[in-house]
Amino acid sequence: GENVEQHPSTLSVQEGDSAVIKCTYSDSASNYFPWYKQELGKRPQLIIDIRSNVGEKKDQRIAVTLNKTAKHFSLHITETQPEDSAVYFCAASRFGNEKLTFGTGTRLTIIP
Amino acid sequence: DVKVTQSSRYLVKRTGEKVFLECVQDMDHENMFWYRQDPGLGLRLIYFSYDVKMKEKGDIPEGYSVSREKKERFSLILESASTNQTSMYLCASSLSGQGQETQYFGPGTRLLVL
Repeated sequence: GENVEQHPSTLSVQEGDSAVIKCTYSDSASNYFPWYKQELGKRPQLIIDIRSNVGEKKDQRIAVTLNKTAKHFSLHITETQPEDSAVYFCAASRFGNEKLTFGTGTRLTIIP
Repeated sequence: DVKVTQSSRYLVKRTGEKVFLECVQDMDHENMFWYRQDPGLGLRLIYFSYDVKMKEKGDIPEGYSVSREKKERFSLILESASTNQTSMYLCASSLSGQGQETQYFGPGTRLLVL
């Protein structure tokens, strides 16, 4: 089955700086890669996703890049703000399989 | 707006008790999922269902069972609760098909087994 590894497990950045979280996956047939954000005490929510036919996707301050050859994808957050503090989860799945395999999460702390 | 609700936010049970966790979604989603969330381990899939009365094992099904008698409701059952099942349990739902993979999560049930 699919295995998703996520690094780092914790990350602290100064407000205004950029943050990068990286994930690797094992199943070369995986073609869908979402990122979920979980604020303290709240439920996880999708913030951005990317499919294997695209190398990069941006949405305002967040972007995701995908390297299919190396089987890794990354979340980039620019101009970080206090409200970006949360746990972020990457995930992977393949078309036709409704399951998502999640990474172990990254706790991002923005230092004012 | 998708709404996924769970029957309890906090639950305290004794070892050996039978525990029912209920999840209801109001958006006619085909797929429903049960995860447990533990620090450092992320979200691990226990069971999922892609249709009424259909279920498939996830990555950690041991000690759990599920029931889906109606499309909107997915129940997680701990047949005989044990202390190592103390955890946060999250339910999620999604539509079927490419482009519909977004999972919508419930608020979670924090279960403590004594």
